[in-house]
Amino acid sequence: GENVEQHPSTLSVQEGDSAVIKCTYSDSASNYFPWYKQELGKGPQLIIDIRSNVGEKKDQRIAVTLNKTAKHFSLHITETQPEDSAVYFCAASAEGAGSYQLTFGKGTKLSVIP
Amino acid sequence: DAGVTQSPTHLIKTRGQQVTLRCSPKSGHDTVSWYQQALGQGPQFIFQYYEEEERQRGNFPDRFSGHQFPNYSSELNVNALLLGDSALYLCASSFQGALDIQYFGAGTRLSVL
Repeated sequence: GENVEQHPSTLSVQEGDSAVIKCTYSDSASNYFPWYKQELGKGPQLIIDIRSNVGEKKDQRIAVTLNKTAKHFSLHITETQPEDSAVYFCAASAEGAGSYQLTFGKGTKLSVIP
Repeated sequence: DAGVTQSPTHLIKTRGQQVTLRCSPKSGHDTVSWYQQALGQGPQFIFQYYEEEERQRGNFPDRFSGHQFPNYSSELNVNALLLGDSALYLCASSFQGALDIQYFGAGTRLSVL
């Protein structure tokens, strides 16, 4: 089955700096890569996603890049703010038997220092 | 527009007991997936329901079972609880036109003593 590795496990940045989180996946059939933000006591919130036919996608301060050949994808957050502090998860999915199960990385705890 | 709702928020059980967790999908969604999130880990896929049938199952024992109702809401049942079943149980909903785009509820925190 699919295996997703995520690095780093913790990341501290100064407010206004950029943050980058990287993930690799193992299944070449994976074609959808979402990123979720999870705040304490809440469920994961979808913040951005990318499909395998696209190399990069941007939404305001957040961007995701995908390298299918190397099987890795990254989340970039620019101009970080204290409210960006949370645990971020990458995930991957591939169609199987008519359903899509998400395989998640272990998460990155991002701390933005004011 | 209500998002994914789960109940109860917290639950405490003892080993060997049985538990039922509930989920109502986001409006317009017809597919429900359940995930288990252990402390400090990413969510792990349990199973997915569509048209009241289990469509796919992750690597979880038969003690974990589910059900989907005609109104698309769903239940997760866990029998013979073990200490290791303590986790946050998350429900995610999607619709058949975009099964991979899944929206999560806040989860049910289950503690097994």
